[in-house]
Formats: sequence, C-alpha cells, structure tokens
Amino acid sequence: DGGITQSPKYLFRKEGQNVTLSCEQNLNHDAMYWYRQDPGQGLRLIYYSQIVNDFQKGDIAEGYSVSREKKESFPLTVTSAQKNPTAFYLCASRLQGDTGELFFGEGSRLTVL
Amino acid sequence: SQQGEEDPQALSIQEGENATMNCSYKTSINNLQWYRQNSGRGLVHLILIRSNEREKHSGRLRVTLDTSKKSSSLLITASRAADTASYFCATGGGATNKLIFGTGTLLAVQP
Repeated sequence: DGGITQSPKYLFRKEGQNVTLSCEQNLNHDAMYWYRQDPGQGLRLIYYSQIVNDFQKGDIAEGYSVSREKKESFPLTVTSAQKNPTAFYLCASRLQGDTGELFFGEGSRLTVL
Repeated sequence: SQQGEEDPQALSIQEGENATMNCSYKTSINNLQWYRQNSGRGLVHLILIRSNEREKHSGRLRVTLDTSKKSSSLLITASRAADTASYFCATGGGATNKLIFGTGTLLAVQP
C-alpha cells in the first residue's frame, strides 16, 4: 500500500546528541514537509522540499537540518543546537502544485532526557 | 507563524448532536483545508474548499468559507463517539506550496 512511513515512533535522547528522524514515501510525491507539534498546539513548519536536492526553511528551522537526495526520502536531523527538542514530529507529502491534500505519516515522538 | 485560529479550543457534546468549529485566518488564500487528528496519530485530510467556493459537503461534514471575513466553519452532523479528535484548518496558496495550520479544536463526543 502507498503511504508515508516515519521511524522511529518513539525516540529518547540525551542532551547534546543529534538524532535523525526518517521519513519515506512511496506515493511518488514531489513535495515533502516536516512539522513540529507541541502538546495541545497546532503544527509548525520546520522545513519543506518541493523537489529533489532542494529544500527551504519553514518558520522554526533553527536547530534542525534536512536533506533531499532521493524523491522518496526526507530525513530530519534534530541537532544539539535545538534548545527544546522534545516534541511530536510529523512528516507529510503531496503532489506538486498549489492545491491538494497533505498525506501524513504517523509521527515520531522525541523525548530529551 | 500560524495562519489560522480555531474556535473554540475545546468542545464537548453528546452523541447525536451537531458540532461546529470555526477557523479564522489572516491573509489571502487559494484554498482552505480541514484535517482530523486522533490522539498521538498523524493528520488525516477531511475536505478542501477553494477560495471561489462558499460551501461544500462530504458525508456528515459541511464546510463554509467567507473570504470577506477570512473565516471558515466545519459542521459535523449527528456526531458519534468515534468523531472524538482534534480538528485543524490549514490554509494554502502561493508559489511556496506551503500549508499553514491553525491551533486546532479538540472535540469530545460523549456516548
């Protein structure tokens, strides 16, 4: 079945460590997105990519990095520079274009100990 | 920045009642979408309404859009306990192909 797979679902890390969250899609979508969600709040855009080898910062990119080497994959690295990384991270994708629904993965919950 | 603000933040109703939630946004849009999120899960797309549309239906869902007031409403009729979730509006448009989400309404449907 087509969809978006995020891994791991739960991740614990110590302060000062970098972690990478995986996002893979087999929907043949051009555009991919990373959002952060804090408890009881909406989604905030971290990074997005509209095409392979290109990506743009969203509203809260500081302390995060991404790559887009393949159409199917858009990993997010949470670096030690991110001051408050504990959150729920959601990856999404959609066809290129102005309209159209976003397809979401099931999320990755990162907790910093 | 968050474009949309949902109202109310939380809503509790009985099964069979209708649930109405509202979304206000700040800038011009090409379309507005509504999503649902069950606790701890990803978001699921419910319905999209374009800026030149005023009303749209899908099953038990009815969405209205008033571009002059920069607002939208989502009506869920004959609610069920399974409708318990958070509901988000998202506005899209422009060359950047970004969707900006609101703060969400937490709906609890009591059986």
